[in-house]
Amino acid sequence: EIVLTQSPATLSLSPGEGATLSCRASQSVRSYLAWYQQKPGQAPRLLIYDASNRATGIPARFSGSGSGTDFTLTISSLEPEDFAVYYCQQRSNWLWTFGQGTNVEIK
Amino acid sequence: QLQLQESGPGLVKPSETLSLTCTVSGGSISSSNYFWGWIRQPPRKGLEWIGNIYYSGSTYYNPSLRGRVTMSVDTSRNQFSLRLSSVTAADTAVFYCAVVQGGYYFDYWGQGTLVSVSS
Repeated sequence: EIVLTQSPATLSLSPGEGATLSCRASQSVRSYLAWYQQKPGQAPRLLIYDASNRATGIPARFSGSGSGTDFTLTISSLEPEDFAVYYCQQRSNWLWTFGQGTNVEIK
Repeated sequence: QLQLQESGPGLVKPSETLSLTCTVSGGSISSSNYFWGWIRQPPRKGLEWIGNIYYSGSTYYNPSLRGRVTMSVDTSRNQFSLRLSSVTAADTAVFYCAVVQGGYYFDYWGQGTLVSVSS
């Protein structure tokens, strides 16, 4: 089973600043990695799939990069609605796993 | 666009079986190449994948829950279901149903339903 490790656990930033979130896989997942955003009381929402493709309706300030075992989600300039928890996710050998999440909070 | 809605009891007693249903609208549950899945989130914790069922009925379960999980599809009602047996307080969580359209990622999610395990 592939384990996804996200860092940092918490990111304290101000609106307008950029955010860089990391997700590391215990084995290569090629480019089969997604990022989700979850706000309090809401279901997660797909942001990025295949490591770097934005899902429908996702603003351009969100971008993803990486392949193999190291992946990054970048938010170029934080808007107030971007403060949330972000999860990475992969599927390998018919098993789906999530990272433990990064909380992007207002500083 | 697909819409998913979870339903089921909000309270289950320890050692009993938790049963939830997800109703799909805006599309057919028999659509080719779709996986229908369940994910849970204990209070103040992260997401845990429970399992997926393919449109054909093939099932894929989280190894940590295998033996307690059963998923099924009811094409006549456009629904799929989850049964989790021998529950304990550690199974208390918000349960989400979701759809994997392209094989890898959860494209759409239900709003989630809280299930508490308590006597």
